[in-house]
Amino acid sequence: DAGVTQSPTHLIKTRGQQVTLRCSPKSGHDTVSWYQQALGQGPQFIFQYYEEEERQRGNFPDRFSGHQFPNYSSELNVNALLLGDSALYLCASQRTSGNTDTQYFGPGTRLTVL
Amino acid sequence: GNSVTQMEGPVTLSEEAFLTINCTYTATGYPSLFWYVQYPGEGLQLLLKATKADDKGSNKGFEATYRKETTSFHLEKGSVQVSDSAVYFCALSDRGGSYIPTFGRGTSLIVHP
Repeated sequence: DAGVTQSPTHLIKTRGQQVTLRCSPKSGHDTVSWYQQALGQGPQFIFQYYEEEERQRGNFPDRFSGHQFPNYSSELNVNALLLGDSALYLCASQRTSGNTDTQYFGPGTRLTVL
Repeated sequence: GNSVTQMEGPVTLSEEAFLTINCTYTATGYPSLFWYVQYPGEGLQLLLKATKADDKGSNKGFEATYRKETTSFHLEKGSVQVSDSAVYFCALSDRGGSYIPTFGRGTSLIVHP
C-alpha cells in the first residue's frame, strides 16, 4: 500500500518565479492538505482540498493556490516567489468519509528560493 | 482557539535513558491527540494517537496518555536508542471540524551512544 508521495524532492527557484508541487494521497484517501514548514518550526496549514474544492484555508496570501484532481491527487502553486517562501512543503492525506481524524504525511518537497 | 505547547529542546540523553517530552494543549470540545516524529530530511510520521480521555496511545516503545484533567499528552519511553534521535511534534485535531491538526513547535531529541 503506497503512502503519500510528493514530487519533486528538491527544487531551487529565484525570486519572482512560479512553482508547482505535486502530491498523490494514500490509497483510499480523498482529502489532501498542504503545509509549510520553516526550519525549526512546526507545520503551518496552507489549505485543504476535498471533492476538488478548497474546503479550508490557513493564513496564507493568494499567491498560494491549489488544485485537486478527480483521482484525488493535488497540486500546490506558488506565484511571485519570495525568499521567505523557502521551506519544506508537506502534503498530508486523510479519509473524510467516516470522519477519520488522522492525517498521513508525505516526505515533503524542499523549496529553496534564491 | 486551539493551541499546543511543547517543552523546548533540544533534549539530550544517553542511550537507555528514560524520556519524557511534555505537551499541553488548549482546545474547545474533546480533541484527538497525536504525536508525530520527523527524522532528519524527512516528512512527519504518525507515532501514536489517543482519541478520548484516559486513552493510552503506544507504538515502538513510546507511550502517551490523554489526561483531560491536566490537558496534557506527555510522550514517554523507558529506554531510548540512538535511532530515536529526531524531532517530535505534539498535535491536536478538533473532531468537530475538518480534522486539521494544530501542531506544537516540535522538540528535538538527541540520543548519544
